[in-house]
Amino acid sequence: GESVGLHLPTLSVQEGDNSIINCAYSNSASDYFIWYKQESGKGPQFIIDIRSNMDKRQGQRVTVLLNKTVKHLSLQIAATQPGDSAVYFCAETGSNDYKLSFGAGTTVTVRA
Amino acid sequence: DTGVSQDPRHKITKRGQNVTFRCDPISEHNRLYWYRQTLGQGPEFLTYFQNEAQLEKSRLLSDRFSAERPKGSFSTLEIQRTEQGDSAMYLCASSLDSTVEFFGPGTRLTVL
Repeated sequence: GESVGLHLPTLSVQEGDNSIINCAYSNSASDYFIWYKQESGKGPQFIIDIRSNMDKRQGQRVTVLLNKTVKHLSLQIAATQPGDSAVYFCAETGSNDYKLSFGAGTTVTVRA
Repeated sequence: DTGVSQDPRHKITKRGQNVTFRCDPISEHNRLYWYRQTLGQGPEFLTYFQNEAQLEKSRLLSDRFSAERPKGSFSTLEIQRTEQGDSAMYLCASSLDSTVEFFGPGTRLTVL
């Protein structure tokens, strides 16, 4: 079946640098995308979302970019901090509006 | 803290025993979801309620699994005759219609 996946399982970044986490999806009917952050022992925490009628959305220190032509989603984190160390998942709802499909995640480690 | 609570946070049981988990969603949220997450993977959709109606069940949800949301508020997930393969984190999420799904902290199940 169609699914959402991430390009790299791990990312190591120097504190203060910008991070870019990538995600490829295969379901062309995907309409809504969410980035979640999951710290050890906790449930996924919402970071930012974007609908398919947009190509960019900004939040506090985070930006999501959507390229529907190549079915690619990215999360940019500005001035990465130690508290940003976590596993990051992209998720999409496909052709329905409730069932999230998650990729395997990218583990981000921030070096001091 | 997202406002979604789950109980218990951890459960250790012996193979063949029955277990029941509870989820209390954010109070005004009409949608409630159950997901399962195994180590190193993203959450996988199990089932979805809109108010008290269970509208979809994943193929992952075998006959040993049952979920209820009797009054459209809290929900329970029961696993009968547990197997070692049931060991996972069970996540509950809630949303108001088709908005962002907010996740609880999860119940970690270990089947010995």
